[in-house]
Amino acid sequence: QKEVEQNSGPLSVPEGAIASLNCTYSDRVSQSFFWYRQYSGKSPELIMSIYSNGDKEDGRFTAQLNKASQYVSLLIRDSQPSDSATYLCAVHSSGGYQKVTFGTGTKLQVIP
Amino acid sequence: EAGVTQFPSHSVIEKGQTVTLRCDPISGHDNLYWYRRVMGKEIKFLLHFVKESKQDESGMPNNRFLAERTGGTYSTLKVQPAELEDSGVYFCASSPTGSTDTQYFGPGTRLTVL
Repeated sequence: QKEVEQNSGPLSVPEGAIASLNCTYSDRVSQSFFWYRQYSGKSPELIMSIYSNGDKEDGRFTAQLNKASQYVSLLIRDSQPSDSATYLCAVHSSGGYQKVTFGTGTKLQVIP
Repeated sequence: EAGVTQFPSHSVIEKGQTVTLRCDPISGHDNLYWYRRVMGKEIKFLLHFVKESKQDESGMPNNRFLAERTGGTYSTLKVQPAELEDSGVYFCASSPTGSTDTQYFGPGTRLTVL
């Protein structure tokens, strides 16, 4: 079982719709959760971080965390063609080590 | 403020050769990380420096990889001798002192071993 699992997609949504990206993780002691956006050929860019159960909103983005279900999601409202990218879920475990574990990413395509 | 920079952006070498990748973190960031993404796989952690000390090198694949950060500023990652499976994109990231969550990534070095 992978430590962080994501559907590779592509996920296609029409412009203006809500895009829903999902991620599950295996390490129950994970404390911090991140969503990175990566455009083709570019470096990952941190767009959201979430640390406690519930929702966190930032503009058109909402991150949702459910630690009991080991599930984290990212909602993108009013999707724009410029949102087309690969979205990487990443998990940071607590403890002595500070490494971040990434999923393989979900490719999102927003159709104009 | 300049971001994380990496050099070279691309490197093509033959199996058995040596390659050295360089990363310059954001100025003042004590934490520096190396990651690697091979084709079709997830980004994988290689190691973490705090200043010049290796905090965690649990992700280094084998002893053909050597990372250094002399003086606690820029870092180098040397692969010697390179093997075909070392091909991939090597990312460097940095984060401020006391904060390991918000990591800023560099553009990556695409390494191709022929």
